[in-house]
Amino acid sequence: DAGVTQSPTHLIKTRGQHVTLRCSPISGHKSVSWYQQVLGQGPQFIFQYYEKEERGRGNFPDRFSARQFPNYSSELNVNALLLGDSALYLCASSLVDPGVGTGELFFGEGSRLTVL
Amino acid sequence: AQSVTQPDIHITVSEGASLELRCNYSYGATPYLFWYVQSPGQGLQLLLKYFSGDTLVQGIKGFEAEFKRSQSSFNLRKPSVHWSDAAEYFCAVGARGGYQKVTFGTGTKLQVIP
Repeated sequence: DAGVTQSPTHLIKTRGQHVTLRCSPISGHKSVSWYQQVLGQGPQFIFQYYEKEERGRGNFPDRFSARQFPNYSSELNVNALLLGDSALYLCASSLVDPGVGTGELFFGEGSRLTVL
Repeated sequence: AQSVTQPDIHITVSEGASLELRCNYSYGATPYLFWYVQSPGQGLQLLLKYFSGDTLVQGIKGFEAEFKRSQSSFNLRKPSVHWSDAAEYFCAVGARGGYQKVTFGTGTKLQVIP
């Protein structure tokens, strides 16, 4: 079975541009979360979606937005890119309904964004 | 708010030696606890998790971890390290109920020397 897939794997943008990152969860998983991992740090929670609704948001500015589609895939959008947005963006899917609690997260290999 | 502390940024061990990676968490009740491993340029792979029950948890690749409520700790152990274990290890805590925000520590980078 396919795991979590993310695209693109690498991309380079310049300050002020916009970026869209995509994620396909494991088949049957309805929950998708996004994390930002800056070099040398642990992943930081950005968003969680379940059944196409935002269920959680981390401490990130409004330049960051996301959505989940009927097939449970998800997009993360970042507007007005800053140098500090350079990071590995990880998508994770889970079987667990967030109303129940925390389940095991299955991570993709990430999209590495470089902002120049 | 939940938080995780991994006090060791970098650890070097000899192949065949035992390993213990430290993790302390802060959470108002009994949390869900995880250890993930990340190889360079890769995503995170779950090694083991604690949800309830036996406080000694067995994971993949010969790893185990022990939940100690009194010390708010969830240390990861392996009796004999292999060169392929060199990677970065992240401890994480998740809330019971509510949305699935999982909070990660800053990680411990493991180097294995022959």
